[in-house]
Amino acid sequence: GQQLNQSPQSMFIQEGEDVSMNCTSSSIFNTWLWYKQDPGEGPVLLIALYKAGELTSNGRLTAQFGITRKDSFLNISASIPSDVGIYFCAGQRHSGGGADGLTFGKGTHLIIQP
Amino acid sequence: NAGVTQTPKFRILKIGQSMTLQCTQDMNHNYMYWYRQDPGMGLKLIYYSVGAGITDKGEVPNGYNVSRSTTEDFPLRLELAAPSQTSVYFCASTSNWEAFFGQGTRLTVV
Repeated sequence: GQQLNQSPQSMFIQEGEDVSMNCTSSSIFNTWLWYKQDPGEGPVLLIALYKAGELTSNGRLTAQFGITRKDSFLNISASIPSDVGIYFCAGQRHSGGGADGLTFGKGTHLIIQP
Repeated sequence: NAGVTQTPKFRILKIGQSMTLQCTQDMNHNYMYWYRQDPGMGLKLIYYSVGAGITDKGEVPNGYNVSRSTTEDFPLRLELAAPSQTSVYFCASTSNWEAFFGQGTRLTVV
């Protein structure tokens, strides 16, 4: 199956620091998505990217869809305690409805030290 | 706004037992999915459905079955539970790109 390589696996940072994580793939995706999962919960969508080269922001979060459509990054500025969780990238090949589901990376576990 | 609802939240099964994980959504989405999440791993697609009456295998379908008799419901069936099926199971539905997830079912097979 398709693989998404997400890095880093985990990050230990101080509150207030900026965070950067990325995903790469050997396959082209039409859509890149970034999800956050809190303990005991399902993933929640943070940012969706639809066009190669697109840069999208959502508050302190910024994500970019790589120009080759094989990679994406997510940045979080000025981290706060509630940013703790697991961040997943996900790619979707088909346009128009997601018929074959999302391919997920293995996640980046963000830990914020006081 | 219920969204995607999964039951039960937790379950312990003995090897060889069977069970059905329930999933229902009230958003009238056509597409529904079942994923499993193992520790330290991303989500892997088990089965999906593009509409009532239509189901297809995902990446890891062995040991599972699904049905989609209505738009709202997409139950996942384990017939002969095995320890390898110990995992957290997530049901999701989508309208376009955004997948809405349930809260998960944590299943342990002993």
